[in-house]
Amino acid sequence: DVKVTQSSRYLVKRTGEKVFLECVQDMDHENMFWYRQDPGLGLRLIYFSYDVKMKEKGDIPEGYSVSREKKERFSLILESASTNQTSMYLCASRSDIIGLSETQYFGPGTRLLVL
Amino acid sequence: DAKTTQPNSMESNEEEPVHLPCNHSTISGTDYIHWYRQLPSQGPEYVIHGLTSNVNNRMASLAIAEDRKSSTLILHRATLRDAAVYYCILRPQTQGGTSYGKLTFGQGTILTVHP
Repeated sequence: DVKVTQSSRYLVKRTGEKVFLECVQDMDHENMFWYRQDPGLGLRLIYFSYDVKMKEKGDIPEGYSVSREKKERFSLILESASTNQTSMYLCASRSDIIGLSETQYFGPGTRLLVL
Repeated sequence: DAKTTQPNSMESNEEEPVHLPCNHSTISGTDYIHWYRQLPSQGPEYVIHGLTSNVNNRMASLAIAEDRKSSTLILHRATLRDAAVYYCILRPQTQGGTSYGKLTFGQGTILTVHP
């Protein structure tokens, strides 16, 4: 079974702190994604990566950065956390192999509270 | 991005079939129809996808209208574990280069299953 794990299920941080959210997948997938999920707004794509050291902005990249130094790991960084970044953060991965590339696998999510 | 329209909520009884509708009147010829579901306190999980023909897998069936402007996810015998938010998503066919195959989640349908 594909497994996508996220470093924390729950996180509480203070305004202005630097926050790291880590995501690891064990299926050698090329593509990895970070979403945030908010009531009434659904899931929105923050950043994605299609290869090591490669990244592309999603729909709402402002206030975030990402890092992908190894294929299996994709980190989301909040340089200076703000209260409007309180949200559920979901990581996902997807293969590029034809026949397997239609499915995104999601992690369990990290619920971040910024005080 | 082409949009989908789903009912906000539906209810079912255990062991009865459930038909979850989705309208996508602006679908393009190369959009795949994907269904994901999100159980409480979990990340979304893939259910099924199709392009033109009806599809079956161990979880569900997907019935696609001949004009592709609508589709229906069919759970043949609902169980309590099927209670979730069901998302109908149009995914553009993977392009060359940055083939990230973005998923745009709407609000989905909240399915309640009664014992």
